[in-house]
Amino acid sequence: GIQVEQSPPDLILQEGANSTLRCNFSDSVNNLQWFHQNPWGQLINLFYIPSGTKQNGRLSATTVATERYSLLYISSSQTTDSGVYFCAVVAANQAGTALIFGKGTTLSVSS
Amino acid sequence: GAVVSQHPSWVICKSGTSVKIECRSLDFQATTMFWYRQFPKQSLMLMATSNEGSKATYEQGVEKDKFLINHASLTLSTLTVTSAHPEDSSFYICSARWGEGEQYFGPGTRLTVT
Repeated sequence: GIQVEQSPPDLILQEGANSTLRCNFSDSVNNLQWFHQNPWGQLINLFYIPSGTKQNGRLSATTVATERYSLLYISSSQTTDSGVYFCAVVAANQAGTALIFGKGTTLSVSS
Repeated sequence: GAVVSQHPSWVICKSGTSVKIECRSLDFQATTMFWYRQFPKQSLMLMATSNEGSKATYEQGVEKDKFLINHASLTLSTLTVTSAHPEDSSFYICSARWGEGEQYFGPGTRLTVT
């Protein structure tokens, strides 16, 4: 099946710093989503981005489908950005399609 | 964004008993619902995919007789963990989708089997 690799696995930042998280996938995909999992376990949808670039406040994402990677940019990080960031790609399964997750990047932002 | 709810948010049960978890899409109709499992410090693992009105399709290694999934309507799916054992303790998360669109996740249910 498709492999989804995220890097780095862990990231420690001072408040105000910028960061780039990377997601590589092993096969072509129809779609890709980025999530932030908060300390209570809730997955928050950040971007639904099969290709191109999208921006939402201090966050932006770029997917280059032909080269099988996506990047998540966080600018001027805040302590509330801490948590785990997951990349997930839409892959075929026996029932149709489903999101397959990478292992995540754990971000810690200190004040 | 779309809202998916889960109930209960946490449950403790004794070994050998069964537990039912409900997942509802509150403001959209979900043609497909999914159940994931997450162990501490790990990623989400897909357990099963459920299309409304059809039997669930389970991922390899997931026991369909232990994890019973029902998707009876476009807004409700249930996961029943039968004869639960301590190794079934985990964080169970459902998600929902309309067609091939964006997938939305519930807040999760933390199951502890004693």
